[in-house]
Amino acid sequence: KAGVTQTPRYLIKTRGQQVTLSCSPISGHRSVSWYQQTPGQGLQFLFEYFSETQRNKGNFPGRFSGRQFSNSRSEMNVSTLELGDSALYLCASSRFQDYGYTFGSGTRLTVV
Amino acid sequence: AQSVAQPEDQVNVAEGNPLTVKCTYSVSGNPYLFWYVQYPNRGLQFLLKYITGDNLVKGSYGFEAEFNKSQTSFHLKKPSALVSDSALYFCAVVVSGGYNKLIFGAGTRLAVHP
Repeated sequence: KAGVTQTPRYLIKTRGQQVTLSCSPISGHRSVSWYQQTPGQGLQFLFEYFSETQRNKGNFPGRFSGRQFSNSRSEMNVSTLELGDSALYLCASSRFQDYGYTFGSGTRLTVV
Repeated sequence: AQSVAQPEDQVNVAEGNPLTVKCTYSVSGNPYLFWYVQYPNRGLQFLLKYITGDNLVKGSYGFEAEFNKSQTSFHLKKPSALVSDSALYFCAVVVSGGYNKLIFGAGTRLAVHP
């Protein structure tokens, strides 16, 4: 079966711009979570969506936002990019209360 | 606050020897524990999880882990290491009822030498 698909794989943006990342979950998975991975901070939870509703949010500024569509695909948006936003952004999908999380390959964002 | 600790930044082991990657956790509530592996420029691959039941969990690629509630540990083990096991390993915990928020350790780099 198809895995979790994240697009694009790589992005280079300039400070001050905004960016949108996409995550298509495994068919039948209705929960999508997003994580930021950096060398300094490690893997940090951004937010989780289930049935188009944000259920949980990590400790990130309001520049980080997301949404989920009726087909469970999710997008995250980062506005007014800063150099420190350079990271690997990972999404994971799961069934409701299944605790079986499948991760995508990630989007590598570089802010210059 | 919920947390996961991986006390070793790097573990070195010779091919064919047993390996252990350590993980301890601190949560309030029942922990659900996970191990993931990451290869360069890739996402996280699931190895195994403990939800309930037998404390010894067997996972992918010959890995296993033992849940020890009294020591709040969930160490990853493999009887015979392969060079191809060299990667970054993450331990993570979800608190039951805490929705799908994984709390990760800092990661341990495993280097298996021929």
